[in-house]
Amino acid sequence: SYELTQPPSVSVSPGQTARITCSGDALPKQYAYWYQQKPGQAPVLVICKDSERPSGIPERFSGSSSGTTVTLTISGVQAEDEADYYCQSADSSGIWVFGGGTKLTVL
Amino acid sequence: QITLKESGPTLVKPTQTLTLTCTFSGFSLSTSGVGVGWIRQPPRKALEWLALIYWNDDKRYSPSLKSRLTITKDTSKNQVVLTMTNMDPVDTATYYCAHRLNESGFYYDALDYWGQGTLVTVSS
Repeated sequence: SYELTQPPSVSVSPGQTARITCSGDALPKQYAYWYQQKPGQAPVLVICKDSERPSGIPERFSGSSSGTTVTLTISGVQAEDEADYYCQSADSSGIWVFGGGTKLTVL
Repeated sequence: QITLKESGPTLVKPTQTLTLTCTFSGFSLSTSGVGVGWIRQPPRKALEWLALIYWNDDKRYSPSLKSRLTITKDTSKNQVVLTMTNMDPVDTATYYCAHRLNESGFYYDALDYWGQGTLVTVSS
């Protein structure tokens, strides 16, 4: 079955840049999406179609894609960005999948 | 304004069947492109996609759970129902329903509006 692989954790200091990767064989052909989830809350879509920011998402959130890896970049990390981040995509048969999640810690 | 809300039992016994209802407003499941999905999250674990139903009644299921899941829609009631058979303690999780992403009138394989989630505990 299709899988997306993320690092379990990433740590950065406030004001630095955080990069979270997500790898999957189908990513060259399928869009990736990123969600932010804070404790006790439902996920929020922060990046769609690899690199687009939905309305209301701060400009410091950006996404990129290269081959089988997509990357969520948070520039000038703020304390409020501490959360779990999940990538998500779908395969060609319409089966969706989430990555295992990455816990972003703001030191 | 799009909203979704999950409802169902908070406690089920092992081997029982779980039935969850997603009641939504702000969109219609009869509109071309629309979809509603179910996702779950065990305590302190990752999100897991379960199923999706489309406006045309097309359905997709997680391969690992396909034999246990059924997703249906009632367009007149603005509801989507998920049933999961043979529940086990490992199925203890918060279950979310969510709306398929609509961006500028086009639909994509992601979720832009989520319900608050409902915690289901499986225990005897």
